[in-house]
Amino acid sequence: GAGVSQSPSNKVTEKGKDVELRCDPISGHTALYWYRQSLGQGLEFLIYFQGNSAPDKSGLPSDRFSAERTGGSVSTLTIQRTQQEDSAVYLCASSAGTGQETQYFGPGTRLLVL
Amino acid sequence: AQSVSQHNHHVILSEAASLELGCNYSYGGTVNLFWYVQYPGQHLQLLLKYFSGDPLVKGIKGFEAEFIKSKFSFNLRKPSVQWSDTAEYFCAVNMGNAGNMLTFGGGTRLMVKP
Repeated sequence: GAGVSQSPSNKVTEKGKDVELRCDPISGHTALYWYRQSLGQGLEFLIYFQGNSAPDKSGLPSDRFSAERTGGSVSTLTIQRTQQEDSAVYLCASSAGTGQETQYFGPGTRLLVL
Repeated sequence: AQSVSQHNHHVILSEAASLELGCNYSYGGTVNLFWYVQYPGQHLQLLLKYFSGDPLVKGIKGFEAEFIKSKFSFNLRKPSVQWSDTAEYFCAVNMGNAGNMLTFGGGTRLMVKP
């Protein structure tokens, strides 16, 4: 079946602009995760959704970052007033949400803030 | 703070050489352990995982890893590498008290010379 998809694959924006990144998880997966992969920080967790529970936002680096998940499926990560240090690859992953399980990753969105 | 360490940042091997990549984590509780691989231009893919049971786990493409609880380690091995194994390898740990998110090591870039 289809894997995790993300759009856009690349995004170039100007400092101060808002951006929205989209993630379509694997069908039927109730758990969805956002991670960020950057040169200086490696791969770091941002936010986690599980079903209808309140998301775990403990990894969000600042209040300029937010995410929502509509209808338990598609998720959007929004970065407001982008800064150059936000440049990174933003990865989405999903899992079945049943406990011990594997996270399956999408191809990522490469964000460049000029 | 809970962390995952990969000691080798860059490894260069000739084809047919043996490979061992180190991974250590700092958490005393129950863990789920993963190795992911990122081939050039591709997204993260699961190589192998450990949840419980036999501490020696076998994954795809001839890779295996051994969980040594007393050493907080989960080293990745392959007896004979191929040029196609050139990639970046990430150790990831789900630490039970941190929810379902993964904590990643810094990655190891492996280059296999033909």
